[in-house]
Amino acid sequence: GQNIDQPTEMTATEGAIVQINCTYQTSGFNGLFWYQQHAGEAPTFLSYNVLDGLEEKGRFSSFLSRSKGYSYLLLKELQMKDSASYLCAVTDSNYQLIWGAGTKLIIKP
Amino acid sequence: GAVVSQHPSWVICKSGTSVKIECRSLDFQATTMFWYRQFPKQSLMLMATSNEGSKATYEQGVEKDKFLINHASLTLSTLTVTSAHPEDSSFYICSARELAGEVNIQYFGAGTRLSVL
Repeated sequence: GQNIDQPTEMTATEGAIVQINCTYQTSGFNGLFWYQQHAGEAPTFLSYNVLDGLEEKGRFSSFLSRSKGYSYLLLKELQMKDSASYLCAVTDSNYQLIWGAGTKLIIKP
Repeated sequence: GAVVSQHPSWVICKSGTSVKIECRSLDFQATTMFWYRQFPKQSLMLMATSNEGSKATYEQGVEKDKFLINHASLTLSTLTVTSAHPEDSSFYICSARELAGEVNIQYFGAGTRLSVL
């Protein structure tokens, strides 16, 4: 079956760095996405990786290793507004998006 | 990024009535749109895939006669919850897939919070 694993919850301190991991097992691979979802709101697109390596976008970076079925989202200089759920999603060989359950990130002052 | 508009943002209705939710892609054409449902503190659940000009594809366990989907144009898909009951109360979110070369990114509407009394 298809499976995406990410931690349920993480806690970090304002100003620090946090890495949210995601591992996947899917039927084929056509890209990995990270979305941010604040409580009570819809998800917003953060990043897309299809080739191995690191994609940097401001305070957020996303890494992919296709051979390991692994990705991480790195958040630097954490701000209180970064408190949200972070969803990992993979597009399989049929271009269907398979969603992880999300990681709830709690930022403490 | 692309903009997806979803209306209404909040609906309160009586049990037994029908509710229509609209999802529009404002600055791109979307041949495929998706409808999700999310209960409090739970993950997104895909209900159906809406394809322009053809019938929607429903996920297992989703009643197609209860959740009617119409994707009549490249920028509009609608979800109608027919004969709504309190257990249908949930957060409904649509997304539209934008094709940019080989990249398919789903952009989400703001969601519709449905409360059935």
